[in-house]
Amino acid sequence: NSKVIQTPRYLVKGQGQKAKMRCIPEKGHPVVFWYQQNKNNEFKFLINFQNQEVLQQIDMTEKRFSAECPSNSPCSLEIQSSEAGDSALYLCASSPTGGHSDYTFGSGTRLLVI
Amino acid sequence: AQKVTQTQTSISVMEKTTVTMDCVYETQDSSYFLFWYKQTASGEIVFLIRQDSYKKENATVGHYSLNFQKPKSSIGLIITATQIEDSAVYFCAMREGYSNTDKVVFGTGTRLQVSP
Repeated sequence: NSKVIQTPRYLVKGQGQKAKMRCIPEKGHPVVFWYQQNKNNEFKFLINFQNQEVLQQIDMTEKRFSAECPSNSPCSLEIQSSEAGDSALYLCASSPTGGHSDYTFGSGTRLLVI
Repeated sequence: AQKVTQTQTSISVMEKTTVTMDCVYETQDSSYFLFWYKQTASGEIVFLIRQDSYKKENATVGHYSLNFQKPKSSIGLIITATQIEDSAVYFCAMREGYSNTDKVVFGTGTRLQVSP
């Protein structure tokens, strides 16, 4: 069982609707990453945090996507206005410090935008 | 820009045999870390093994080992004595530099099917 908890497991939204997913990182891991995995198995980096601060985010994230990792609350990723192309598996991963550190992944949230 | 390429989309083997999955990478950094992950049918992604660029010895963990050929920018994953439960999609990944805050770049995976 994953030590990174993602909810919900599945999410179905209409185009234009908000879609919100949550992630509880592994205890003791200060760094959190969000990736989008499409049907071709391509991983697209979206945003990462160290504690509550955003480290890097892609342009897509800056426009329709918002994310936060508040203290003592789950991290979240929200799509303000869902599009069909957003249908994918959204993966949250956490890691300890150090470049050698591997990710612990959550089970993912599978988003379907209809 | 960093890039990871897995050209084998699918491999089928018989149980208890040895399989090698290929991966080549591109980086301008002299220091980097290479990882292999496994994604099961349920979608769970699990870390398997890591190779540090400055280490000459090939990493080994259980029945997983790596074939690190730095001049060729290649990091192959070798699974010995394969089991049915090894059936999954295997992803090669790379992180440049020493900061854990840098993102990891993934290949597109190789699907392994192990048959009895």
